[in-house]
Amino acid sequence: GAVVSQHPSRVICKSGTSVKIECRSLDFQATTMFWYRQFPKKSLMLMATSNEGSKATYEQGVEKDKFLINHASLTLSTLTVTSAHPEDSSFYICSAPGRGLSGELFFGEGSRLTVL
Amino acid sequence: GENVEQHPSTLSVQEGDSAVIKCTYSDSASNYFPWYKQELGKRPQLIIDIRSNVGEKKDQRIAVTLNKTAKHFSLHITETQPEDSAVYFCAGLGGSYIPTFGRGTSLIVHP
Repeated sequence: GAVVSQHPSRVICKSGTSVKIECRSLDFQATTMFWYRQFPKKSLMLMATSNEGSKATYEQGVEKDKFLINHASLTLSTLTVTSAHPEDSSFYICSAPGRGLSGELFFGEGSRLTVL
Repeated sequence: GENVEQHPSTLSVQEGDSAVIKCTYSDSASNYFPWYKQELGKRPQLIIDIRSNVGEKKDQRIAVTLNKTAKHFSLHITETQPEDSAVYFCAGLGGSYIPTFGRGTSLIVHP
């Protein structure tokens, strides 16, 4: 099956710094990737849809200037948390549809961000 | 857009019992309904899915049923085992092609 790789798996940073998380589709091309945020014991909250070659589509309430998304190629999307604060600490996870837009979603391993 | 409701939020069963998790959806255009299992700190993994052209699908101890008229679908796990303990998410994929997830069900299987 399709593989999505995400890193780093864990990152600890100081408040005010920026953190970049990468999401790669290893054996397929992904024109679309989804970025989710997950709080403990909670569901997957869609933050934005990353589109290769165009701007990301952000969900209501998600600050696009704080969560910068870039889909530079058909296999790579990045999420940059800018000027991170402790309240940004969370589990961030990306996913990509493996067979067009009507098939199975493949998830990255997730990235645990802790902002001190 | 799509709205997916999932119940219960927590389900506790004894090993060997059956577990049923239910989801409802709002978008009549939705045609793909996957179920994911997520263990603590790990990525969600697809365990079974169903498309709108069938009413039931089974894979060993796991089955999913779909009622398009009522707009609900359910996950059935029979002969539960402790390793089935995890959080389960349902999802619906509608006309927007953006998956919408239910809130999750924490399944606890007691030995």
